[in-house]
Amino acid sequence: EPEVTQTPSHQVTQMGQEVILRCVPISNHLYFYWYRQILGQKVEFLVSFYNNEISEKSEIFDDQFSVERPDGSNFTLKIRSTKLEDSAMYFCASSELGRWETQYFGPGTRLLVL
Amino acid sequence: RKEVEQDPGPFNVPEGATVAFNCTYSNSASQSFFWYRQDCRKEPKLLMSVYSSGNEDGRFTAQLNRASQYISLLIRDSKLSDSATYLCVVIPLANQAGTALIFGKGTTLSVSS
Repeated sequence: EPEVTQTPSHQVTQMGQEVILRCVPISNHLYFYWYRQILGQKVEFLVSFYNNEISEKSEIFDDQFSVERPDGSNFTLKIRSTKLEDSAMYFCASSELGRWETQYFGPGTRLLVL
Repeated sequence: RKEVEQDPGPFNVPEGATVAFNCTYSNSASQSFFWYRQDCRKEPKLLMSVYSSGNEDGRFTAQLNRASQYISLLIRDSKLSDSATYLCVVIPLANQAGTALIFGKGTTLSVSS
């Protein structure tokens, strides 16, 4: 069964550093997403991406965040200058058609900002 | 008012029990509804979509009441492997994109032998 994959599984960084989280969505899927989950809290939507542009984003997704599809398979989330409160599990997801559709999640990257 | 509200539990039940989870959502124009399951420190995994007419998948039954803005999940004959957090998920009609999943905080189920 096709799966969403994410690398790295864990990342530790210093406050103020840039981090890039990587995802490989399911190959025939057209919509890609990033979510985050702070420990003990609910999963929160960050951004959706379709046809090489942002389709929707939340209030959390401010100027410190950016997304990119640098090639035909990878989808990345960049945090420009990390803050302590960016520590969370970051999940990538993808869906075949997008609107109103089922989204399939990757295993996540646990980011710890010191 | 929170967009998606769930009783956090935990629900502690013996094997074989029937257990029901409830969820309410605030946006009356919400379009799609799901139950996801999340094991400890793992990703959410789709359990089932929820349709207006109600739907069943084996031991799991989901119901939607649009008038009351209420979603339910019934698990019959609970197994040890059902122990997890169950997430109520809604796609609201905040705009036309229709791509943002809005999660509840989840209800924790623990099934014991």
